[in-house]
Amino acid sequence: DTGVSQNPRHKITKRGQNVTFRCDPISEHNRLYWYRQTLGQGPEFLTYFQNEAQLEKSRLLSDRFSAERPKGSFSTLEIQRTEQGDSAMYLCAGKTGSSSDTQYFGPGTRLTVL
Amino acid sequence: GENVEQHPSTLSVQEGDSAVIKCTYSDSASNYFPWYKQELGKRPQLIIDIRSNVGEKKDQRIAVTLNKTAKHFSLHITETQPEDSAVYFCAASKNTDKLIFGTGTRLQVFP
Repeated sequence: DTGVSQNPRHKITKRGQNVTFRCDPISEHNRLYWYRQTLGQGPEFLTYFQNEAQLEKSRLLSDRFSAERPKGSFSTLEIQRTEQGDSAMYLCAGKTGSSSDTQYFGPGTRLTVL
Repeated sequence: GENVEQHPSTLSVQEGDSAVIKCTYSDSASNYFPWYKQELGKRPQLIIDIRSNVGEKKDQRIAVTLNKTAKHFSLHITETQPEDSAVYFCAASKNTDKLIFGTGTRLQVFP
């Protein structure tokens, strides 16, 4: 167990609905990353935070996606007006400061858009 | 753009044999190379990593080698066991930045 938790673990929604996922890293994780993984593929980077500051966003992150980390602890990822192509596993990972390179992944939230 | 290629996509070995998975990265500034194991429906778990100032690293039955000139790194698993069966992902990053993952290798170890 990496100590990183994600909720919900599964989400089924209808096309056009909004969904929000939550990631809770451990307190030492000042960096928090979001990735998306589709079936048979490796995780793809979406965005990351250093404490509460969002430092980088992938071009995969369309304007329907928004992420926050308001207090530098937990983070949320919201998808507005979901599309079937958004169906994937959404993974978050935490990392401590510059003394460590290791990213510790949460169990993921599997999103299915009908 | 940044890219990591991984081969083979599937690998079947007999228990006790060795398995080798190879990756190539495109960004010469990459300096950190982790390997993750992902079992069906579970999170990716780090099994070994290597930094660019080291050419080889071992941890029991697992080893990773890095060739910076060729921008190539490999995972070696010796004396494979059925519980090694999973999908393995290589990744590359620079300055502890985001990870760029390969497409994965499904390893099956037959008893």
